[in-house]
Amino acid sequence: DARVTQTPRHKVTEMGQEVTMRCQPILGHNTVFWYRQTMMQGLELLAYFRNRAPLDDSGMPKDRFSAEMPDATLATLKIQPSEPRDSAVYFCASGWTGPSNQPQHFGDGTRLSIL
Amino acid sequence: GQQLNQSPQSMFIQEGEDVSMNCTSSSIFNTWLWYKQDPGEGPVLLIALYKAGELTSNGRLTAQFGITRKDSFLNISASIPSDVGIYFCAGQIRGGADGLTFGKGTHLIIQP
Repeated sequence: DARVTQTPRHKVTEMGQEVTMRCQPILGHNTVFWYRQTMMQGLELLAYFRNRAPLDDSGMPKDRFSAEMPDATLATLKIQPSEPRDSAVYFCASGWTGPSNQPQHFGDGTRLSIL
Repeated sequence: GQQLNQSPQSMFIQEGEDVSMNCTSSSIFNTWLWYKQDPGEGPVLLIALYKAGELTSNGRLTAQFGITRKDSFLNISASIPSDVGIYFCAGQIRGGADGLTFGKGTHLIIQP
């Protein structure tokens, strides 16, 4: 089965450090999403892209977070500088949007701990 | 923003029992989805619903898209140990073209 691949699976770093999370969407999918999961807030949408163009990043703290898609096989989410409140599990999901939509499939996440 | 109210928050049941959980919203959603999440993994899609009133099954799972477009339920029949996990409902306004709004999840625990 095709899968969304996320790296790293776990990341522990000190506050102030830059964090980069990577996602390889399912081949052929044209829409990529970033979500964050915490105990308090649950699963929240951060940003998403279609055909590599950013469509909505209203859920993302703009001052420290940035999301990009350098090519169709790679999406990145960066935090600079990181803060303890950024500790969460970050999920990437991909899907197909077109005349016949296909639902989103998720990767296994990056578990981020900021000390 | 939109919110999904998912209930119950947790369920403790005996193996073999049927399970029912639901989601409601004050806003209309044009797509409803149900996901299951196991510890340390991402949500896995169980069922996707695209039309109001639609009833869809996937093995022992059955889900329905409410006629008002503001609710959905998921039933699991004859529960087995591997059904343990957290179940999430999710909605999309633009039928697949935008991000998901998630419920807070239903934690299913099965007692042998």
